[in-house]
Amino acid sequence: DGGITQSPKYLFRKEGQNVTLSCEQNLNHDAMYWYRQDPGQGLRLIYYSQIVNDFQKGDIAEGYSVSREKKESFPLTVTSAQKNPTAFYLCASSIVGLGNTGELFFGEGSRLTVL
Amino acid sequence: AQSVTQLDSQVPVFEEAPVELRCNYSSSVSVYLFWYVQYPNQGLQLLLKYLSGSTLVKGINGFEAEFNKSQTSFHLRKPSVHISDTAEYFCAVSVRGFKTIFGAGTRLFVKA
Repeated sequence: DGGITQSPKYLFRKEGQNVTLSCEQNLNHDAMYWYRQDPGQGLRLIYYSQIVNDFQKGDIAEGYSVSREKKESFPLTVTSAQKNPTAFYLCASSIVGLGNTGELFFGEGSRLTVL
Repeated sequence: AQSVTQLDSQVPVFEEAPVELRCNYSSSVSVYLFWYVQYPNQGLQLLLKYLSGSTLVKGINGFEAEFNKSQTSFHLRKPSVHISDTAEYFCAVSVRGFKTIFGAGTRLFVKA
């Protein structure tokens, strides 16, 4: 089955530690995205990438970093510089170019709790 | 710039009653419109989308939405809800596929 796999599902870390969230897709989509979800705030875009080896900051990129070395993979690192990292993180993908409507395909999410 | 406003943060409703979740958007250009559903601790899945054509759009699980250009609205409706419809619902817009913007979400509680 084609889809997006995020891991881990739940993650606990101590304050000051960097953590990396994995996102892999086998939909052959060119674009991948990371969103942060907090209660009552909807989804906020952290980073996105439309092609391998290129990515752009979203609305709340501070304290986060990404890489896009392969089309299928878009890992997100939550650094110690992120002031309030406890949240639910969602990875998504979409096609690019002709036929792209903005429809996003989501993974199951990763819940990060910083103790 | 585009924006999306979901007018209700929470909607409680009894099982088998009808429900409407309201969404208004702001944009100076034509947009594509979406409704997504999120069950607890899961990702979002597409319920339905409006791209063009008929303003009444039917989606999965018996939901439908009506695009109203003059009111800049895209309200989601279901004539009879089930307990299993309890979830959070997100309205979203995109301009020709570029940068999808989400509303804050509406929590639907279906009571027995």
